[in-house]
Amino acid sequence: AQSVTQLGSHVSVSEGALVLLRCNYSSSVPPYLFWYVQYPNQGLQLLLKYTSAATLVKGINGFEAEFKKSETSFHLTKPSAHMSDAAEYFCAVSPKANSGGGADGLTFGKGTHLIIQP
Amino acid sequence: DGGITQSPKYLFRKEGQNVTLSCEQNLNHDAMYWYRQDPGQGLRLIYYSQIVNDFQKGDIAEGYSVSREKKESFPLTVTSAQKNPTAFYLCASSIWGGGKGEAFFGQGTRLTVV
Repeated sequence: AQSVTQLGSHVSVSEGALVLLRCNYSSSVPPYLFWYVQYPNQGLQLLLKYTSAATLVKGINGFEAEFKKSETSFHLTKPSAHMSDAAEYFCAVSPKANSGGGADGLTFGKGTHLIIQP
Repeated sequence: DGGITQSPKYLFRKEGQNVTLSCEQNLNHDAMYWYRQDPGQGLRLIYYSQIVNDFQKGDIAEGYSVSREKKESFPLTVTSAQKNPTAFYLCASSIWGGGKGEAFFGQGTRLTVV
């Protein structure tokens, strides 16, 4: 079984400040990990994914995430927040050993709403 | 451009009425999925399909039905048995196998019961 916990349903930062969105996972097998972003009334867009290459993964829009096996974490960061970063962010996990692959094995966290203060 | 198209964007349903949400993809993906999104609850899997003419129930399949007659299409019917259908519905597709393939999402359909 696998699960994802996103700490904080809402995170508020000032424009230009560091963004840190937390994600911890549990999985019985080594996982693949993903971060998605959702703007209001739109679908989800992939920000980045970890598939067991480098532990520090760079994504779009200046975001990056670091896979830490010892902490079972995959926190999302961005050095300087921009107003356009305001959105809902979802962490997701998929077990490598899942022969089904794709989204049937993809478990989502409940999401973190990022608020950017001017 | 390749992608997933959901229609309509907004849909209103009367009590006791069945409605069908459309999902089409031209990414040549084998797998397609339907998720329901409610505020503060993340995404919950309704149905998924790995291949044409085959589909599996997800975590919240009751009150919903699907078909997969073509690789490109995976329509979702919200039946009158679904007692609380007001939600945002997302369709997705992916490659199948190994878990490495991320899901690609449509723009969603917002269903409201009136």
